[in-house]
Amino acid sequence: QVQLQESGPGLVKPSQTLSLTCTVSGGSINSGSYYWSWIRQPAGKGLEWIGRVSTSGSTNYNPSLKSRVSISVDTSKNQFSLKLSSVTAADTAVYYCVKYVIALTSFDPWGQGILVTVSS
Amino acid sequence: QSALTQPASVSGSPGQSITISCTGTSSDVGGYNYVSWYQQHPGKAPKLMIYDVSNRPSGVSNRFSGTKSGNTASLTISGLQAEDEADYYCCSYTTSSSWVFGGGTKLTVL
Repeated sequence: QVQLQESGPGLVKPSQTLSLTCTVSGGSINSGSYYWSWIRQPAGKGLEWIGRVSTSGSTNYNPSLKSRVSISVDTSKNQFSLKLSSVTAADTAVYYCVKYVIALTSFDPWGQGILVTVSS
Repeated sequence: QSALTQPASVSGSPGQSITISCTGTSSDVGGYNYVSWYQQHPGKAPKLMIYDVSNRPSGVSNRFSGTKSGNTASLTISGLQAEDEADYYCCSYTTSSSWVFGGGTKLTVL
């Protein structure tokens, strides 16, 4: 069973770029028909889809974040990454990396999540 | 894109059934049979419970079922158990080639 693990700084200063990496274990990031996605959740609030990347490198982003987001994949390392620029306190959230199964049109499994706080 | 609309909370007694609604538009819920539901216990990552409106992944109890009518999808949990107490989120694919979640519903088992 594939497992996902987020890593990166837990604290980012306002106006800087948030950078996170997701490491996929238990299977190749290249296997099967999947997209690799990022989803976030501010404390006490709902889930927000950020974007996704395919193993060919094609991307789709949440229209509300599109100008600030970049998601990339490194198949040699079995990893994919998120960059979110010009962050503010509103970007403080738990960030999850998630596998999107195209055949099931759903997100499964999810990483455990990583809390990123934007503060000076 | 606006979040899908879910009731903030629902409750039920053990053994009863409850239904959580998820209302969108013709650009998301109404336009595709790509609605999924997720269960999230406090401090945990969400877990897939229903995909493609009404399908259960392997390992998910058959007490969980999903339906859709027009722009509204629904999740029904029958035979409520204490372990079902959690937050539930719906999700839909959209015409913008993106995904949108509902605001979440807190289920309390009385």
